[in-house]
Amino acid sequence: DTAVSQTPKYLVTQMGNDKSIKCEQNLGHDTMYWYKQDSKKFLKIMFSYNNKELIINETVPNRFSPKSPDKAHLNLHINSLELGDSAVYFCASSPLAGENEQFFGPGTRLTVL
Amino acid sequence: QKEVEQNSGPLSVPEGAIASLNCTYSDRGSQSFFWYRQYSGKSPELIMFIYSNGDKEDGRFTAQLNKASQYVSLLIRDSQPSDSATYLCAVPSGGYQKVTFGTGTKLQVIP
Repeated sequence: DTAVSQTPKYLVTQMGNDKSIKCEQNLGHDTMYWYKQDSKKFLKIMFSYNNKELIINETVPNRFSPKSPDKAHLNLHINSLELGDSAVYFCASSPLAGENEQFFGPGTRLTVL
Repeated sequence: QKEVEQNSGPLSVPEGAIASLNCTYSDRGSQSFFWYRQYSGKSPELIMFIYSNGDKEDGRFTAQLNKASQYVSLLIRDSQPSDSATYLCAVPSGGYQKVTFGTGTKLQVIP
């Protein structure tokens, strides 16, 4: 049974398009995250939600909009995709914000052409 | 100064040797520290965490923490080719609601 799942696994799209990535966790955790990992493997926090409430919003362009319909789901919508958005996006969850082990999803490799 | 710093490597060690991975952090108030392993094309997974000064051992892995010097290290004894991966140091920060990751050290264990 997959703990943290993401769809799709791969996403190839043209510049200017809008796309969404979905994440679900079945661990009963309160906190979920979106990370971006660039080609140099740097894993950078984008957003964090605790019980459906946004608690971390790093300096991410407004084109990125997270949505958490319930505490088991955290989706990421990206408008007007740019070449620089190409990266691997990881969803993660943890029992509580910050201190605890984070469980990562398999990642979504986004390629913008 | 970056919040969490690691040497990007690659660090190459022969099979059976001890691999030593280091991480320094800037927030003196940080209380807990995590080591994640990430295989190529896979997601990070937690392998060790440490809260107290000193050493913590788990099988072939030992985490060492020195809060006065603000560094945490990971030792891998009897390194195996299957240990070849990128190791990410992670430290809670920003009011401890988020975890900041280092850039990772790529370890190569040569058979």
